[in-house]
Amino acid sequence: DIQMTQSPSIVSASVGERVTITCRASQSVSSWLAWYQQKPGEAPRLLIYKASNLESGVPSRFSGSGSGTEFTLTISSLQPDDLATYYCQQYETWGTFGQGTKVEIK
Amino acid sequence: EVQLLESGGDLVQPGGSLRLSCAASGFTFSNYAMAWVRQAPGKGLEWVSSISGSGTNPYYADSVKGRFTISRDNSRATLYLQMKSLTAEDTAKYYCAKDVSWTYLFDSWGQGTLVTVSS
Repeated sequence: DIQMTQSPSIVSASVGERVTITCRASQSVSSWLAWYQQKPGEAPRLLIYKASNLESGVPSRFSGSGSGTEFTLTISSLQPDDLATYYCQQYETWGTFGQGTKVEIK
Repeated sequence: EVQLLESGGDLVQPGGSLRLSCAASGFTFSNYAMAWVRQAPGKGLEWVSSISGSGTNPYYADSVKGRFTISRDNSRATLYLQMKSLTAEDTAKYYCAKDVSWTYLFDSWGQGTLVTVSS
């Protein structure tokens, strides 16, 4: 099974700061990597698919990059509405999620 | 607008059974694979099961294989998850999710239904 590992587990940043979250796969998933945002008490929401493609309606401050086994999610300028837990997911083989990264606002 | 509405979550004793439902609207249900994804309290997301649009190809996570059965009724635009031999480890919020294109990429999610397994 493909394992997904995210780092850090928690990130605390000020409004306007750049935030980067890393996701590593235990084996290559090519570009079959998605990022989801889950706000407190809400269902997950698809943000990015195929590593770098922004889902419709997602603000352009979110971006994704990477391929193979290492991927990043970047929030270019953190906003209060971005308070959430972010999950990566590989969908190269079945669908395995990372353990999540909680983004806090300082 | 895609809407997915789960129901059926409840408190059940260990060893018990439960059936979850997910009513879909806003898209042609039979054209899309569907999935169940769960989230234990305070934990991350775990894919549980997926089924093709026709309903002929179900797949399961190892953690539920042999105990859970996914099915769908395309005439009613409804997805189901029959769960048996439940244990405390099955306690979670269960989300219904729409698959983009039988890829395990999920572009729409319901709000979830809570299953609690406890005596």
